[in-house]
Amino acid sequence: AQSVTQPDARVTVSEGASLQLRCKYSYSGTPYLFWYVQYPRQGLQLLLKYYSGDPVVQGVNGFEAEFSKSNSSFHLRKASVHWSDSAVYFCVLSPGNTGKLIFGLGTTLQVQP
Amino acid sequence: GALVYQYPRRTICKSGTSMRMECQAVGFQATSVAWYRQSPQKTFELIALSTVNSAIKYEQNFTQEKFPISHPNLSFSSMTVLNAYLEDRGLYLCGARGDIYAEQFFGPGTRLTVL
Repeated sequence: AQSVTQPDARVTVSEGASLQLRCKYSYSGTPYLFWYVQYPRQGLQLLLKYYSGDPVVQGVNGFEAEFSKSNSSFHLRKASVHWSDSAVYFCVLSPGNTGKLIFGLGTTLQVQP
Repeated sequence: GALVYQYPRRTICKSGTSMRMECQAVGFQATSVAWYRQSPQKTFELIALSTVNSAIKYEQNFTQEKFPISHPNLSFSSMTVLNAYLEDRGLYLCGARGDIYAEQFFGPGTRLTVL
């Protein structure tokens, strides 16, 4: 079965602290993985993507993610969060790069001043 | 740059009526367009994937009879929600992709409220 699990529905951190949002996927083939962010009352914006190669991928606004095939994970990280990072973050799987996307349930990030 | 527009941004319809939403890709050729729905308190569900020169593929729980889609060219797609009821409310996103290795670009969505 193809699925994406984001185990943390809500994460609260202080401004300036480091961040990790967890993501596990289930797919037997080559995964194409993405992190998207949804700001309040807006659509989706792409943060970063992984197709192949270096397992650590850099994204916008200081975000990065690390792909682990052995752990079936694609965790998102940021060294120092800002209050404007408060949003809902979605880990997304494209099985076989078919154009079909499978979304996790999302993690709501709240950054406290 | 690649942009995706959706129209309307918000719409309200009476229960049992239908409404049509549009998606336009600008700055690239949308060889595939996917429609998603985000229901209240839920994640995004794929409704259907439309690829130019291929049949539109609907996911389980979604049908052409309920959500007919038109994808006449590489820049435009539309979807209609027929006989809308409360369970159809939510944010409908259009995701367009240009080539086989490209990510999907999303529009801002059409938020549907059903009274």
